[in-house]
Amino acid sequence: LAKTTQPISMDSYEGQEVNITCSHNNIATNDYITWYQQFPSQGPRFIIQGYKTKVTNEVASLFIPADRKSSTLSLPRVSLSDTAVYYCLVGAGGGADGLTFGKGTHLIIQP
Amino acid sequence: NAGVTQTPKFQVLKTGQSMTLQCAQDMNHNSMYWYRQDPGMGLRLIYYSASEGTTDKGEVPNGYNVSRLNKREFSLRLESAAPSQTSVYFCASSAGLAGGNNEQFFGPGTRLTVL
Repeated sequence: LAKTTQPISMDSYEGQEVNITCSHNNIATNDYITWYQQFPSQGPRFIIQGYKTKVTNEVASLFIPADRKSSTLSLPRVSLSDTAVYYCLVGAGGGADGLTFGKGTHLIIQP
Repeated sequence: NAGVTQTPKFQVLKTGQSMTLQCAQDMNHNSMYWYRQDPGMGLRLIYYSASEGTTDKGEVPNGYNVSRLNKREFSLRLESAAPSQTSVYFCASSAGLAGGNNEQFFGPGTRLTVL
């Protein structure tokens, strides 16, 4: 079961680019990397998912180096509404593997 | 589409009482999940159902039972509630078993207090 390590909290300012890194040193060959966002009193919401290199969608980018032992979620030009908890999950869908959310990273955006 | 719905939204129980949390999804998903989230903590998996007719334990199954009633519905039952089960409960679903290239869709949660 691949474990993940993320910073507990991060601060940034509106308009800045924010990068949150997740370490997953024992990631397996078939594992995907998935990021979720959670606002207070709501369920998590899927942000982005990747297997290798770079993935980009309308809200974020995910950078995965060749060894796949870490990944970085990049949020461009953040706003106050990006204040939330961000979770990194790693797994291959073979069971409860990949369903461990951990404590996540509490991102606080200031004006 | 309503996505994932959960009932009730709030519930207060006394120690020893029983109750069932209901969850339904209208996305024709195969897999469904129950999580609990305690204050300041991440989500912890209680039980999951990879497909209709199957259920498996997650990280914290003690004190809970589940039923995958059909493809749409996945219920969580507390037979004898304890104060340690005070938490917010989230139901989720995904097309295939999450953790691979499948994303989970979450319900709005049920806030349960056990006195």
